[in-house]
Amino acid sequence: DADVTQTPRNRITKTGKRIMLECSQTKGHDRMYWYRQDPGLGLRLIYYSFDVKDINKGEISDGYSVSRQAQAKFSLSLESAIPNQTALYFCATSASRRGWETQYFGPGTRLLVL
Amino acid sequence: QKEVEQDPGPLSVPEGAIVSLNCTYSNSAFQYFMWYRQYSRKGPELLMYTYSSGNKEDGRFTAQVDKSSKYISLFIRDSQPSDSATYLCAMSVNNAGNMLTFGGGTRLMVKP
Repeated sequence: DADVTQTPRNRITKTGKRIMLECSQTKGHDRMYWYRQDPGLGLRLIYYSFDVKDINKGEISDGYSVSRQAQAKFSLSLESAIPNQTALYFCATSASRRGWETQYFGPGTRLLVL
Repeated sequence: QKEVEQDPGPLSVPEGAIVSLNCTYSNSAFQYFMWYRQYSRKGPELLMYTYSSGNKEDGRFTAQVDKSSKYISLFIRDSQPSDSATYLCAMSVNNAGNMLTFGGGTRLMVKP
């Protein structure tokens, strides 16, 4: 089984709709992240959470909100979807240890906003 | 101007070729440098990680960092069709929080 799972894998929605993307991890990591990927722009950080009670805005948080329901679950919501939020969304996790720790990415959610 | 620049490609090479992938950056505070590999319809996975300047080798892969030129490279020797993927460079100022800045990615195609 995958260590970092994302649901749904694909989603088509209409402008103005509220949608939620979910992320779960079995790695036991306390840090979780949401990124979006657009062609040619790499990954950009939307929100990150270092533990259940610690949530921070990333580079492009406008139009998004998050919820850390448990150490293993981190959800991303688009309150009112717009077409320029069409992108590939990735959840990632990392451990908080001394020294640098890699981030482990989920398989992604492909979102299309019509 | 983006903080991290990367040629998007695609880069097409024959099997067995040596591949050079590069990134330039503008923030001199970056200390940690990574290369991620992303297969189609998959999430990125860490390939190589280096701290500060110098070279690091892992099998067919060599990562090189030149902080004076703000330039990093990934070399792939004896490239294989299974190396066909998008390669993303990423950088971080410190190791507290893993805040990564990514390049746009280079798509590599290795033809049999």
